[in-house]
Amino acid sequence: EVQLVESGGGLVQPGGSLRLSCAASGFTFSSYDMHWVRQATGKGLEWVSAIGTAGDPYYPGSVKGRFTISRENAKNSLYLQMNSLRAGDTAVYYCAREGKNGIDYWGQGTLVTVSS
Amino acid sequence: SSELTQDPAVSVALGQTVRITCQGDSLRSYYASWYQQKPGQAPVLVIYGKNNRPSGIPDRFSGSSSGNTASLTITGAQAEDEADYYCNSRDSSGNHLFGGGTKLTVL
Repeated sequence: EVQLVESGGGLVQPGGSLRLSCAASGFTFSSYDMHWVRQATGKGLEWVSAIGTAGDPYYPGSVKGRFTISRENAKNSLYLQMNSLRAGDTAVYYCAREGKNGIDYWGQGTLVTVSS
Repeated sequence: SSELTQDPAVSVALGQTVRITCQGDSLRSYYASWYQQKPGQAPVLVIYGKNNRPSGIPDRFSGSSSGNTASLTITGAQAEDEADYYCNSRDSSGNHLFGGGTKLTVL
């Protein structure tokens, strides 16, 4: 059974940093592209970043230069380093797997709150 | 532009058929995936590729695509189908896109 478990969320002040982790199990982690997707309360889904099997990263303009996605295949783990955080980054952050035909499995999410 | 546009809200009478649409230039080149999200829960994949359902998704859910528009159709909507639905695709740069979501109400 595919499982994705996020951790590392919490309360952080504007301008601060936070590192999210995602522990993957139930599949060959190294063979899949992985994503981070966020959702502010009452809002829609927003793609945050992706990383290919070779470690190639992708970001939308809203987080480029502030967020860094990485993976550690030996530990079946995905990470998101978030710097220069803003109030607008407040959201539930989901870890997600990209299967052959798109994003197919999601974790339950971890809440990041950026507030003073 | 790299955007996916969905109607914010759609309603359907119990047992009737409803179509939820998603428009965007990227859909001319890439299939959309569709996700169902209920309050307090993570999204669940319901349709992917040309018209494929993951295991466990009822066959009343189907997908189609024409030009720059992808559609999710629920034939014989049930009360448990009331949820938010999101489309997702990618662009030629490897970036992913989500539609703004459609809130489905089953009357």
